[in-house]
Amino acid sequence: EAQVTQNPRYLITVTGKKLTVTCSQNMNHEYMSWYRQDPGLGLRQIYYSMNVEVTDKGDVPEGYKVSRKEKRNFPLILESPSPNQTSLYFCASSLSYRAGANVLTFGAGSRLTVL
Amino acid sequence: AQSVSQHNHHVILSEAASLELGCNYSYGGTVNLFWYVQYPGQHLQLLLKYFSGDPLVKGIKGFEAEFIKSKFSFNLRKPSVQWSDTAEYFCAVNAPSSASKIIFGSGTRLSIRP
Repeated sequence: EAQVTQNPRYLITVTGKKLTVTCSQNMNHEYMSWYRQDPGLGLRQIYYSMNVEVTDKGDVPEGYKVSRKEKRNFPLILESPSPNQTSLYFCASSLSYRAGANVLTFGAGSRLTVL
Repeated sequence: AQSVSQHNHHVILSEAASLELGCNYSYGGTVNLFWYVQYPGQHLQLLLKYFSGDPLVKGIKGFEAEFIKSKFSFNLRKPSVQWSDTAEYFCAVNAPSSASKIIFGSGTRLSIRP
C-alpha cells in the first residue's frame, strides 16, 4: 500500500532531550515536507526536500533540523526541544514539486508534547 | 509572500444544508489550488485540486470548487452535506514559480448536526 509512515505517533518528552521523528515513504517520491499543525494556525511548513541531499527551510524552521540521505526517508530532528514545539507534526510527500505532480500524501501525524 | 485566508473558522450546519467554505489567496501569477480534508482521527487527504483548464473542479464525495481568478478565490461547495462530512477543511496554494512551497490556510472546522 502506498503510504507515508511516521514514528512515533505519540511522544511526551522533556525540555532539552533530543528527539527524532522518522518519516518514510514507499512511493519513490522526490518531494518530502514537514508541517506542524497548531489550533487556529493551520499547517505551517517547517522544512522541505526536493530530492536526495536537497533540503530547504519552510516558514517555521527554528529549532528543527532535517536530512535527506536517501529518497525514502526524511527524519525531523529536534536537537533541544522546548515547550513551544508541542504540536501535531505531519510528514508529506509528492511525486515532485513541479506543478501537476505536487499533490501531497500525508502521514498519520505525530503528536509531540514537550514538558 | 503567498498567503491563504480561510475566514470561516468553524461552520455548523444541519444535514442536507448547502455548504460553501471560503478561500482567498494572495498571489498574482499562475497558481495550483487544493482542498484537503482531515476527518476526525485521520490524516489529511486530497479533496480536489485545480491546475489549469475548467475553473469548476469536482472532487470526491460530491464536493466541488470554483476558481475565480479575478477574486483570487477558490471556494469549496457541496449542495447537501451529510453528517459524515464533519471534518476540518484546508485550502492550499502553490505558486509554480516558487516551486516547492505549498501554503495552507488556517483551516475551517465543519460540524454537521444529524
